[in-house]
Amino acid sequence: QTVVTQEPSLTVSPGGTVTLTCASSTGAVTSGYYPNWFQQKPGQAPRALIYSTSNKHSWTPARFSGSLLGGKAALTLSGVQPEDEAEYYCLLYYGGDWVFGGGTKLTVL
Amino acid sequence: QVQLQQSGPGLMKPSQTLSLTCAISGDSVSTNSAAWHWVRQSPSRGLEWLGRTYYRSKWYTGYAVSVKSRISINPDTSKNQFSLQLSSVTPEDTAVYYCAREKEGYCSSSSCVWFDPWGQGTLVTVSS
Repeated sequence: QTVVTQEPSLTVSPGGTVTLTCASSTGAVTSGYYPNWFQQKPGQAPRALIYSTSNKHSWTPARFSGSLLGGKAALTLSGVQPEDEAEYYCLLYYGGDWVFGGGTKLTVL
Repeated sequence: QVQLQQSGPGLMKPSQTLSLTCAISGDSVSTNSAAWHWVRQSPSRGLEWLGRTYYRSKWYTGYAVSVKSRISINPDTSKNQFSLQLSSVTPEDTAVYYCAREKEGYCSSSSCVWFDPWGQGTLVTVSS
């Protein structure tokens, strides 16, 4: 059973920078896993932020960026805003199947 | 603007078959550049990918191993929608169910894939 692992929780100060990661139990994450990142706030559906590693949607704030870092997919928030407090999920492709990470609860404090 | 509208019952009894529909506007279920997914979310299991259907000269489906023996995702081209059926439900299947579009394209001359839009979500509770 493939497992995608994210940090369960992270805390960042307003204006700070934080990096969330997404690791695969099968080995290093590459662009072929088409990493997607989503933001979810309570009571809402997931909202797409980053697709295929580093591409932003038209609505994605410039402070969000995606990359591959040390064999993992990464989501970096630079200049964090209070409204960035949310749950963040990554999604990876496994040649037919997709698997979500367990999510990272980001607290802005 | 593409929109997905979900419909279906929210309360079920154990052993029944869950049936949800996702109506598509602004795109076609038969397009060669998208796939149509079902995802669920519960406090105990987080976001869980369930499966997808897509058309590439013929129809294809793919399902998560965890539900493969109980799930069916079917397109309805006459109504431009797709459906989820999950048989023999138990309280473990209680979750918010979402439909979503996976769109394919090209980014800097390489293929890329994104998930948008999503349906509004349907809370399905399985209880006797």
